[in-house]
Amino acid sequence: DAGITQSPRHKVTETGTPVTLRCHQTENHRYMYWYRQDPGHGLRLIHYSYGVKDTDKGEVSDGYSVSRSKTEDFLLTLESATSSQTSVYFCAIRWTGGSGELFFGEGSRLTVL
Amino acid sequence: DQQVKQNSPSLSVQEGRISILNCDYTNSMFDYFLWYKKYPAEGPTFLISISSIKDKNEDGRFTVFLNKSAKHLSLHIVPSQPGDSAVYFCAASDRGGATNKLIFGTGTLLAVQP
Repeated sequence: DAGITQSPRHKVTETGTPVTLRCHQTENHRYMYWYRQDPGHGLRLIHYSYGVKDTDKGEVSDGYSVSRSKTEDFLLTLESATSSQTSVYFCAIRWTGGSGELFFGEGSRLTVL
Repeated sequence: DQQVKQNSPSLSVQEGRISILNCDYTNSMFDYFLWYKKYPAEGPTFLISISSIKDKNEDGRFTVFLNKSAKHLSLHIVPSQPGDSAVYFCAASDRGGATNKLIFGTGTLLAVQP
């Protein structure tokens, strides 16, 4: 158990509304990641963080922003949700000192109508 | 430009037989390769990995083979069990980079028939 909690686990929203997904970890890991999973695309990196207030873009960052004001929380925000952002979102952490594996949360399913 | 490719969207095998899942990559800077398993409504779970300095890594029923010259890796599951039915993702990273981003393939759905 990597101590990762994602919330909400399920959300339905309407186009144009803001949405924030939260990833919480309990073990002070430095690196945190947000991925989205879509059929035919696998898992694609949205944003990642390498420390408090240190974040960078992944391969599909358009339309998303992130914040990390404390080690344990990594927030993913959709400022104005679109139907193309309907997906399952996974947060992951990398164990400090590990070989490089990521450990994932259980996912947040977002539907944008 | 997809750097990690899994060209077989699905695979069906009989229980007890060998399952072979394949993965190709294009970036020669990748030096660490991983396989993840994913059940429906759950997060991906780490299965097995291999460093580019090796060509084989074995863990119980699971073996990963790496062919660097062909930029190809494969996951062998022997013997296959119905509980192995899941989506398998191949992933790769450049550990020389600062942030260890994992690049994933599109996944292969394995169905093990009883």
